[in-house]
Amino acid sequence: GENVEQHPSTLSVQEGDSAVIKCTYSDSASNYFPWYKQELGKRPQLIIDIRSNVGEKKDQRIAVTLNKTAKHFSLHITETQPEDSAVYFCAASIIGKGNQFYFGTGTSLTVIP
Amino acid sequence: NAGVTQTPKFQVLKTGQSMTLQCAQDMNHNSMYWYRQDPGMGLRLIYYSASEGTTDKGEVPNGYNVSRLNKREFSLRLESAAPSQTSVYFCASRHSGNTIYFGEGSWLTVV
Repeated sequence: GENVEQHPSTLSVQEGDSAVIKCTYSDSASNYFPWYKQELGKRPQLIIDIRSNVGEKKDQRIAVTLNKTAKHFSLHITETQPEDSAVYFCAASIIGKGNQFYFGTGTSLTVIP
Repeated sequence: NAGVTQTPKFQVLKTGQSMTLQCAQDMNHNSMYWYRQDPGMGLRLIYYSASEGTTDKGEVPNGYNVSRLNKREFSLRLESAAPSQTSVYFCASRHSGNTIYFGEGSWLTVV
């Protein structure tokens, strides 16, 4: 099956700085890569996703890049704010009925005011 | 439209007791999942159901059973709870081609 590795496990940045979280995957058949944000005591919620036919996707301060050849994808958060503090999970999947999602182990991001 | 609803939210069990976590979704999704979340280990798949009438093991199925009662409902049963099953459990659902949506989580403590 798929193996998703995520780094770093913890990340602290000053408010206003950028944060980058990286993930690698092993299965070249994976073609869908979502990112989830989980606040303390809450459920994971989708913040952005990318499909393998796209190299980059941006949504305001959040962007995701994908390198299919190297099998890695990254989450970029610019102009970080204290409310960005949370645990972020990457995932990899194959689009289609019943396919599993494979999650990274999470990155705990702290934005220092 | 409630999304994914799971119950109970909190539960304390004694070792050896049994219980069932209930999950229902109202989004007409085909696939449903049960994950457990432990510190530093991310979200690990216990069981999933690609469609009504089918279930498959995930990464950590030992000690659990599931039932896909109908398209809406997918339950997780612990037959004889162990302290190692202390965790936060998330139910999720997904329509083909789209991302998954999580329930609010169930905090289970086995003493």
